Amino acid sequence: GAVVSQHPSRVICKSGTSVKIECRSLDFQATTMFWYRQFPKQSLMLMATSNEGSKATYEQGVEKDKFLINHASLTLSTLTVTSAHPEDSSFYICSARDTRGEGTQYFGPGTRLTVL
Amino acid sequence: SQQGEEDPQALSIQEGENATMNCSYKTSINNLQWYRQNSGRGLVHLILIRSNEREKHSGRLRVTLDTSKKSSSLLITASRAADTASYFCATVSPSGYALNFGKGTSLLVTP
Repeated sequence: GAVVSQHPSRVICKSGTSVKIECRSLDFQATTMFWYRQFPKQSLMLMATSNEGSKATYEQGVEKDKFLINHASLTLSTLTVTSAHPEDSSFYICSARDTRGEGTQYFGPGTRLTVL
Repeated sequence: SQQGEEDPQALSIQEGENATMNCSYKTSINNLQWYRQNSGRGLVHLILIRSNEREKHSGRLRVTLDTSKKSSSLLITASRAADTASYFCATVSPSGYALNFGKGTSLLVTP
């Protein structure tokens, strides 16, 4: 299957700082990528849909000024958590939609964010 | 918002036994997908079944879909300890591509 990478895999930061997470599709082009958030022992919650060359579409309740998404190329989307606070600590997972075939989404390995 | 509900929430079986997980959803779908997640890791795509399909097989996996009941099941035959993970169903609506995940089933397979 297709490969999606995320970087970094873990990050610990101080409250008030900003953190950027990268999501890359390594062997296919993805016009659409998705960002999810997962709390311990819970399911994935869709945060936003990232479209190459246009603005992201945010789910209800997700602050777009807090979670900045940029999808500048067909293989890279970034999520920046601005002015992070402890309640932003979570597991962030991206996925990229492979437009070939049935449009399967392939997931990155996730990024564990801990805000002190 | 969360679409699917899996049951059971947790399942514990012994190696060699079959594991069945169920998923229900609420709205119309384009397709339904099952994913596996090992603790603290990303998701691995297992199988996709389209809304016009009723059953699909992939190795030891068998998925069924009943659109009239808005439900799906995932059967893992001859389970192995390595199958221990959380399993999620996810639906895709006809109007978009985003996945709506269920709450997941935590499967424990003991040797």
